Amino acid sequence: GENVEQHPSTLSVQEGDSAVIKCTYSDSASNYFPWYKQELGKGPQLIIDIRSNVGEKKDQRIAVTLNKTAKHFSLHITETQPEDSAVYFCAASSTGANNLFFGTGTRLTVIP
Amino acid sequence: DSGVTQTPKHLITATGQRVTLRCSPRSGDLSVYWYQQSLDQGLQFLIQYYNGEERAKGNILERFSAQQFPDLHSELNLSSLELGDSALYFCASSVVDRGPTGELFFGEGSRLTVL
Repeated sequence: GENVEQHPSTLSVQEGDSAVIKCTYSDSASNYFPWYKQELGKGPQLIIDIRSNVGEKKDQRIAVTLNKTAKHFSLHITETQPEDSAVYFCAASSTGANNLFFGTGTRLTVIP
Repeated sequence: DSGVTQTPKHLITATGQRVTLRCSPRSGDLSVYWYQQSLDQGLQFLIQYYNGEERAKGNILERFSAQQFPDLHSELNLSSLELGDSALYFCASSVVDRGPTGELFFGEGSRLTVL
C-alpha cells in the first residue's frame, strides 16, 4: 500500500517568515494530494489539494507543489501569522481507492 | 463547524471493557470513514462505509467493529480494550464512494483513554 512520509515533525518560524513542509509518497498510482490543518481540539480541515495533472496550485498565502517524477509534494505558507499555528497533515490517494493515506503530521508554531 | 458530529467527546474506561463511539455525517454525505490518531502518529484509516455497506478496511483490529445505520449515522465498537487503544478516534464523511479524491469532512473526534 501507499506510504507517506512527512518532514519535519515540528517547525517554528517567526511571524512573517515562510514555512515549508515536505512529503514523499511511494505509490506511483497516487494522483490526489490534499493537505489538512488540525487546530487544537478540532478535527483536520482541508486547506488545499492538488491533482497529478498540475504541478503547482496557490490559494492566497498557501501553495502546494508536486513533483510526480520524484514522488514528492510540498506545502508552502508565506507571510505566516500566529493563526497558522497548527498541525498540518499531507495525504495521498488514487482514483478508485477508498482511503486517504496520511503523513505523520507537522506541528507548526508561528512565533509572534 | 464541519457538520460532522461525534459523541462522546471524551471517554475514560478500563482495560477489558467495551465502548461505542457514534458519528453523524454531514447532511447528504453517504460515506463515513473512521480514523485512529495515536500520540505522535498520523491518522490511521480503520474502515469506510457507504450508504450502509462496508467499502474498505484498513488497519482495524478484530476487536473493533463498525456499522452504518439506515439513517447514515455510524458507530465504532471497541471491545476488550487495551492500554494501547487510547487514542483520538475521528469520523469523517464525504459525498463520494469510490476514491476520497474530494474533501473529507472530519468531526472533532472522540478521545478514548483506557486505564
